[in-house]
Amino acid sequence: QSVLTQPPSVSGAPGQRVTISCSGSSSNVGSNYVSWYQQLPGTAPKVLIYRNNQRPSGVPDRFSGSKSGTSASLAISGLRSDDEAEYSCAAWDDSLSGPVFGGGTKLTVL
Amino acid sequence: QLQLQESGPGLVKPSETLSLICTVSGDSISSGNNFWGWVRQPPGKGLEWIGSMYYAGNTYYNPSLKSRVNMSVDTSKSQLSLHLSSVTAADAAIYYCVRDRGMDYGIDYWGRGILVSVSS
Repeated sequence: QSVLTQPPSVSGAPGQRVTISCSGSSSNVGSNYVSWYQQLPGTAPKVLIYRNNQRPSGVPDRFSGSKSGTSASLAISGLRSDDEAEYSCAAWDDSLSGPVFGGGTKLTVL
Repeated sequence: QLQLQESGPGLVKPSETLSLICTVSGDSISSGNNFWGWVRQPPGKGLEWIGSMYYAGNTYYNPSLKSRVNMSVDTSKSQLSLHLSSVTAADAAIYYCVRDRGMDYGIDYWGRGILVSVSS
């Protein structure tokens, strides 16, 4: 049981926009920055978003993050087939004094 | 380009100690304000933070694992090590070495991971 809650799966057609939600509590999402990771099959996670909505260099602006209260979202626009991957959210947790993660959401591009 | 490479046995017997090493290249393990840590992912489950440490010795462990975890850094070899004692089947997972920039910037680099199974 992961500390942060994500939907197990989402899907969309090429070119469409999808959003992935991440729900937490006041000790993590509600009071700290959220990061998002993309994990292609058989590879290590790669950071897509940090500090709620910042993209590392090299990450396309099709990926965007937002946060409101104890929930955060990752939006992916202009879906491509190579976006098929697992996406996970993370946030620092004040009670744990460390990061907590969501259970991951599998994105299927139809 | 920072690279993190995990190594160690892929199979550990129940009740024994799991020991892994992460070799850091492309950045100094003793530079800046970086922490280095471990995250694991059991098959079909989400990610779990194990712990992080600063090269100078400050360590931070997940309370759920704290009694069984020990981490250390060898700056001369640019290596981070993980020891997890008294393993059970629940410890079977992919173990990732990570660069942890703390609460402000989070984990920004991951190794490719190493699959560790627990079986007699």
